[in-house]
Amino acid sequence: GAGVSQSPSNKVTEKGKDVELRCDPISGHTALYWYRQSLGQGLEFLIYFQGNSAPDKSGLPSDRFSAERTGGSVSTLTIQRTQQEDSAVYLCASSLAGMNTEAFFGQGTRLTVV
Amino acid sequence: ELKVEQNPLFLSMQEGKNYTIYCNYSTTSDRLYWYRQDPGKSLESLFVLLSNGAVKQEGRLMASLDTKARLSTLHITAAVHDLSATYFCAVREKLTFGTGTRLTIIP
Repeated sequence: GAGVSQSPSNKVTEKGKDVELRCDPISGHTALYWYRQSLGQGLEFLIYFQGNSAPDKSGLPSDRFSAERTGGSVSTLTIQRTQQEDSAVYLCASSLAGMNTEAFFGQGTRLTVV
Repeated sequence: ELKVEQNPLFLSMQEGKNYTIYCNYSTTSDRLYWYRQDPGKSLESLFVLLSNGAVKQEGRLMASLDTKARLSTLHITAAVHDLSATYFCAVREKLTFGTGTRLTIIP
């Protein structure tokens, strides 16, 4: 596709439910990043993929969070047993290779846990 | 711990004035990125600075990088209202972002 695509754009879920957020990067981009942005705040790094592997998972806030990437393309971020503090905008970005090049962002998924 | 700090966090300035946003970082990053975010929107890439002494300009914005001082600046010349946004810098390591500077240009 022309840009990074994220779905859904908005998600409202009940506390305790699991959610899956999807990121479809720019074709050919090998690096993929997930961030979380709370209202009015900066970007919190969650995880980084190079191809299908995740060399850096240090930003995942708890074991309720997991992410995978298959075929070097689409990535899903899964949050299990959601809590109200998980409410935020989840942003995905992709870049050509490693961390040396410019990253392009998707429009984000706004997650609201009620 | 890697830190990327921006100042000021909030900036309100009048149209036509000049100002500079500062980005200090604690790692030895040789790459520095500047992004813009409009309210309710995602991030848009503005500049990629690839080496010490790099300077890039686009319209009323100019970015520079001093890797020895671990400092990047984003200079705004003769500000106009449509530059109102939040500006983020980011370093190469883990693509770590700064705290952001919320810029408001007052007519």
